[in-house]
Amino acid sequence: GNSVTQMEGPVTLSEEAFLTINCTYTATGYPSLFWYVQYPGEGLQLLLKATKADDKGSNKGFEATYRKETTSFHLEKGSVQVSDSAVYFCALSEPPNTGGFKTIFGAGTRLFVKA
Amino acid sequence: DTGVSQNPRHKITKRGQNVTFRCDPISEHNRLYWYRQTLGQGPEFLTYFQNEAQLEKSRLLSDRFSAERPKGSFSTLEIQRTEQGDSAMYLCASSPLATDTQYFGPGTRLTVL
Repeated sequence: GNSVTQMEGPVTLSEEAFLTINCTYTATGYPSLFWYVQYPGEGLQLLLKATKADDKGSNKGFEATYRKETTSFHLEKGSVQVSDSAVYFCALSEPPNTGGFKTIFGAGTRLFVKA
Repeated sequence: DTGVSQNPRHKITKRGQNVTFRCDPISEHNRLYWYRQTLGQGPEFLTYFQNEAQLEKSRLLSDRFSAERPKGSFSTLEIQRTEQGDSAMYLCASSPLATDTQYFGPGTRLTVL
């Protein structure tokens, strides 16, 4: 079945450092790919999305490119802030036979940013 | 757009008790999803509704679990005879028909003692 694998955390960075969180996926067809973020004590928020190969999703300085040849969707940010400390989930959409979609998530990567 | 809301936010119960959670989706969203998230893991799909019809259930959803969406608006998730292994965050999400992007609520954290 479809699955998502992301790098284990925690990832600890100093403020203004460059961030990469690796994500690879296994899927049949052409699913949409997502990054969600979960801040402490809050629910999941959609960070960015890409719907087809070579699409780049971007939001709040984060970006990720849908790479079909390497089945990857790595998250990057050029300069992290303390406020970016959160858990980041890579995910893909899987259409059930009945219509609609379900989201398949990776295990999450916790990011700590130090001042 | 007030977002997806879930109640209660926290529930502590004793093993063997029944619990019910409520989810209010974004008002114009036809599809509603339930997920379960255990500590250190990503959310796992449980079930989803299109309007009032429950169209798919995961194998994770044992016969102690039941979900309803009687009028195609809010949904409830009931767990009967709770077990300690049911302790988790239960997340609700909704989406319009035309997209695969889901919008998540804050979750209900269940602790079974």
